[in-house]
Amino acid sequence: SYELTQPPSVSVSPGQTATITCSGEKLGAKFACWYQQKPGQSPVVVIYQDNKRPSGIPERFSASNSVNGDTATLTISETQTMDEADYYCQAWDGSTVVFGGGTKLTVL
Amino acid sequence: QVQLQESGPGLVEPSQTLSLTCTVSGGSISSGNYYWSWIRQPAGKGLDWIGHIYPSGSSSYNPSFQSRVTISVDTSNNQFSLKVSSVTAADTAVYYCARNHHERPYGGAYSNYVDSWGQGTLVTVSS
Repeated sequence: SYELTQPPSVSVSPGQTATITCSGEKLGAKFACWYQQKPGQSPVVVIYQDNKRPSGIPERFSASNSVNGDTATLTISETQTMDEADYYCQAWDGSTVVFGGGTKLTVL
Repeated sequence: QVQLQESGPGLVEPSQTLSLTCTVSGGSISSGNYYWSWIRQPAGKGLDWIGHIYPSGSSSYNPSFQSRVTISVDTSNNQFSLKVSSVTAADTAVYYCARNHHERPYGGAYSNYVDSWGQGTLVTVSS
């Protein structure tokens, strides 16, 4: 079955840029999306269709997914303490939904 | 704005069947390019997609669950449901119902992402 791999944790200082990766075989041929989940809350999509931001998501959130590659990347610019959360990537694999294992972003 | 609400027992005995229902409000379960999913999250762990159903009744399941899971839809009541049989303590988790937006934006690959989540309901498997 298809798998998506994320680093378990990423740390960043306030105001700096955070980068979270998501790797899967030929992920570039699929659409990737990203969710943010804060403790005790349901996840929220922050990026869909590789690089689109839903309304209400700050421009600080951006993402890419290389067309012929295996890695999608979520970038958070000018990271704020409110961005501290778990982040999950997700893709569609033909007939199933696949989530990455999640990355805990620590802002300190 | 569509809203989803899970309902069902919070405690299930081992070997029994877990049953949850998701009620959709603010929109018809039959309209648009949407799949309706169940996703779970054990405490302190990541998201596990269980499966989904299309309003027509066609469904797909995570192979890890396939033999134990059934998802059904009741379009007349704007609800969809989850049944997980032969549960064990490992099935203890927060269970979310969700709406997946599904489309082929450029005629090639499919885009599928959750644009609406329920608040989640904790189901504990214990005697």
